[in-house]
Amino acid sequence: GIQVEQSPPDLILQEGANSTLRCNFSDSVNNLQWFHQNPWGQLINLFYIPSGTKQNGRLSATTVATERYSLLYISSSQTTDSGVYFCASNDYKLSFGAGTTVTVRA
Amino acid sequence: DAGVIQSPRHEVTEMGQEVTLRCKPISGHNSLFWYRQTMMRGLELLIYFNNNVPIDDSGMPEDRFSAKMPNASFSTLKIQPSEPRDSAVYFCASSLRNNQPQHFGDGTRLSIL
Repeated sequence: GIQVEQSPPDLILQEGANSTLRCNFSDSVNNLQWFHQNPWGQLINLFYIPSGTKQNGRLSATTVATERYSLLYISSSQTTDSGVYFCASNDYKLSFGAGTTVTVRA
Repeated sequence: DAGVIQSPRHEVTEMGQEVTLRCKPISGHNSLFWYRQTMMRGLELLIYFNNNVPIDDSGMPEDRFSAKMPNASFSTLKIQPSEPRDSAVYFCASSLRNNQPQHFGDGTRLSIL
């Protein structure tokens, strides 16, 4: 199956800072999802983004399928952004990366 | 709209007991997935149903695990007999159809003592 690598593994931000999370794939992917797992353990859909760029509020994502990577941008971070961010390739089953743990400090 | 509904939210039981986890997918979704999350292995797919038929069960760890989907609105994951190493968070997810975004339930946190 497809191998998914996420970087960085951990990220500590001061409230208001911007950051970029990266996801690399071992092979081309047809579909890709970004999730946020909040401190309560819920997995929240952020983006379904096989290619191109999407924005949702302070979050945006870009996938360059031909180069096998995707980026998640967090702007003006807030404490509620804390948690683990996962990307997953979606070839009917999701292959998850190990996640990036984000801590936003007030 | 109601999301994916899982029950129970938490389950604590003793080794050897039967455990049944339940899932109600989003109405109209025809693909259903069971995942398990552990610290050691992260999130991994256990089984995938399409139109109530199991398509891929290669992730089911052993014969103690079984899953059913008797109709489009209900699925169960059963562990019998349970073992301490089965302790994990079990997620159910559904999607409109194959290769569409998957939506996750809140998970069942299972502890086997």
